[in-house]
Amino acid sequence: DVKVTQSSRYLVKRTGEKVFLECVQDMDHENMFWYRQDPGLGLRLIYFSYDVKMKEKGDIPEGYSVSREKKERFSLILESASTNQTSMYLCASSKTSGRSSKNIQYFGAGTRLSVL
Amino acid sequence: AQSVAQPEDQVNVAEGNPLTVKCTYSVSGNPYLFWYVQYPNRGLQFLLKYITGDNLVKGSYGFEAEFNKSQTSFHLKKPSALVSDSALYFCAVRNSGYSTLTFGKGTMLLVSP
Repeated sequence: DVKVTQSSRYLVKRTGEKVFLECVQDMDHENMFWYRQDPGLGLRLIYFSYDVKMKEKGDIPEGYSVSREKKERFSLILESASTNQTSMYLCASSKTSGRSSKNIQYFGAGTRLSVL
Repeated sequence: AQSVAQPEDQVNVAEGNPLTVKCTYSVSGNPYLFWYVQYPNRGLQFLLKYITGDNLVKGSYGFEAEFNKSQTSFHLKKPSALVSDSALYFCAVRNSGYSTLTFGKGTMLLVSP
């Protein structure tokens, strides 16, 4: 089974702190994604990466950055956390090829971040 | 731009009754459509997808979805609901040119005993 692991289930940080959210997948997937999930807004894409060291902005990249130094790891960085970044953060990965599995995204359990 | 709409925030159904969770989509070109489920305090789990072929797609846990091109709909269905089906359900569409998905806002399904 595909496994996507997010390093923390719950995080509490203070306004202005630099925050790192880590995600690791074990299925050699090319694509990795970071979303935030808020009630009534569904999932919104923050950033995605289709290869090592490559990144693309999603729908809401402001206030975030990402890093992908190795294929299996995709990090989300909040440069200076703010209270409006309190949310559930979900990481996902997917393959680029393969007729049956292509484009299916596999999700981690999520990190619930509170910024005080 | 691709989009999906889930018109119901919540669907209530009694255990044993059939259930439908609605989704409509807007795409340019052929639609690639997905359903995911999220149980409390968990990530999303893939249920099923439509790419081409039969309009009725079968997926995990007894769920199926009916693709209707003329109505631009992709409704999720199950013949007999279980209390354990209670969860948040998301419809999604693949964005053209990328491997990204656009998700709907989600529909909470509550199955009562």
